[in-house]
Amino acid sequence: EPEVTQTPSHQVTQMGQEVILRCVPISNHLYFYWYRQILGQKVEFLVSFYNNEISEKSEIFDDQFSVERPDGSNFTLKIRSTKLEDSAMYFCASSEDRVPTNYGYTFGSGTRLTVV
Amino acid sequence: KQEVTQIPAALSVPEGENLVLNCSFTDSAIYNLQWFRQDPGKGLTSLLLIQSSQREQTSGRLNASLDKSSGRSTLYIAASQPGDSATYLCAVRPDNFNKFYFGSGTKLNVKP
Repeated sequence: EPEVTQTPSHQVTQMGQEVILRCVPISNHLYFYWYRQILGQKVEFLVSFYNNEISEKSEIFDDQFSVERPDGSNFTLKIRSTKLEDSAMYFCASSEDRVPTNYGYTFGSGTRLTVV
Repeated sequence: KQEVTQIPAALSVPEGENLVLNCSFTDSAIYNLQWFRQDPGKGLTSLLLIQSSQREQTSGRLNASLDKSSGRSTLYIAASQPGDSATYLCAVRPDNFNKFYFGSGTKLNVKP
């Protein structure tokens, strides 16, 4: 079964450093997403991406965040200057269409980001 | 803004029991609803997707129902097994938005 792959599984970074979280979506999917889950809280939407541009973003997704599809397979989330409150599990997801029919969204296994 | 609530927050049952997990949402203008399973420290595994026009979906021992007008969904697990122990998340996709709103989850423990 096709998977969304995320690397690294765990990253520790110092406050103020830049981090890049990487994702390889399912190959024939067209829509890509980032969500995050702060420990003990709900999974929350960050951004959706289609046709090489952001289609929607939440109020959390401020100027310190950016997304990119640098090549035909990778989808990245960059956090420019990390803060302690950015510590969370970050999930990448993809879907075949804006309105997924059969399988919905497929999520990756997540990257646990710890900012110290 | 859509609010998604899951009850109970935690549930412990003996192996073999049938159980129901509940999800409610405040805005009935949804496109679909998806149930996920999350193991500790792990990602989200899709279980069932219900389109707004559907009433239920089944996969093996799992059955999810949707009552859109009343803002409710249930996930029924038949003949529970210790391997079913995990957190179950309900997520709602509103009309006109390509994103999910998640509930806080129900943490299920199935005792051998």
